[in-house]
Amino acid sequence: DGGITQSPKYLFRKEGQNVTLSCEQNLNHDAMYWYRQDPGQGLRLIYYSQIVNDFQKGDIAEGYSVSREKKESFPLTVTSAQKNPTAFYLCASWGLAGDEQFFGPGTRLTVL
Amino acid sequence: QKEVEQNSGPLSVPEGAIASLNCTYSDRGSQSFFWYRQYSGKSPELIMSIYSNGDKEDGRFTAQLNKASQYVSLLIRDSQPSDSATYLCAVSPSGTYKYIFGTGTRLKVLA
Repeated sequence: DGGITQSPKYLFRKEGQNVTLSCEQNLNHDAMYWYRQDPGQGLRLIYYSQIVNDFQKGDIAEGYSVSREKKESFPLTVTSAQKNPTAFYLCASWGLAGDEQFFGPGTRLTVL
Repeated sequence: QKEVEQNSGPLSVPEGAIASLNCTYSDRGSQSFFWYRQYSGKSPELIMSIYSNGDKEDGRFTAQLNKASQYVSLLIRDSQPSDSATYLCAVSPSGTYKYIFGTGTRLKVLA
C-alpha cells in the first residue's frame, strides 16, 4: 500500500531533551513537508524539502531541524531550543507531477 | 491580514441540509485550491481540489471558485452526522510548492 507513515504516534519529552519524529513515504513523491498544529489552530509550516539534500525553512522553523538524505524520508528533530513544543505534528508529501498534498497520521508530542 | 481566512464556527446544520463553508484568500496569483476534512485527533484528508473558476462536483461535495472575488467555497449536500469535522481550506500560490492553510471551520451536523 502506498502512503505516508509517521512514528511514533505519541511522544513524551522531558524539558531540555531533543526528540526526532519520523516520516516515511513510499509514494515516490519529491516534496515533503512538516507542519505543526495547535488546538483550534490551522497548520503552520515548519520545514519543507523539494528534493533530496535540500530543504527550506517555513514560517516557524526556530527550534527545529530536518534532514533529507533519502527521497522517502524526512525526519524532524525538535530541539531543546523550541520553547513550546507540545503540539500535533503532521508530515505531508506532494508529487510534483500532481498538485495535491497528502498527510501522514501525525505525531502528538507532549512535553512533561 | 491573514492570507487564508475561514469562519471558525461552529457551523451547525440539521441532518439532510446543505452545509456551506467559505474561504477567502489574499494572494490574487493563487492557482490551486483545496478542501481538507479533519476529524478530531486525526490528520487532514483531501476531499476536493479546484483550479478553475466555477463549480466542481464530487458526490455530495461541490467546490466553487471565484478568482475575481478571491473566494472558494465548499457545499455539502444531504449533510450527515459523519460529516461533523473541521474543514480546512488550503491555497497554493502560483510558482510555489507550498500550501497556505486557513484555521478551519468546525461543522456540526445535528441528527
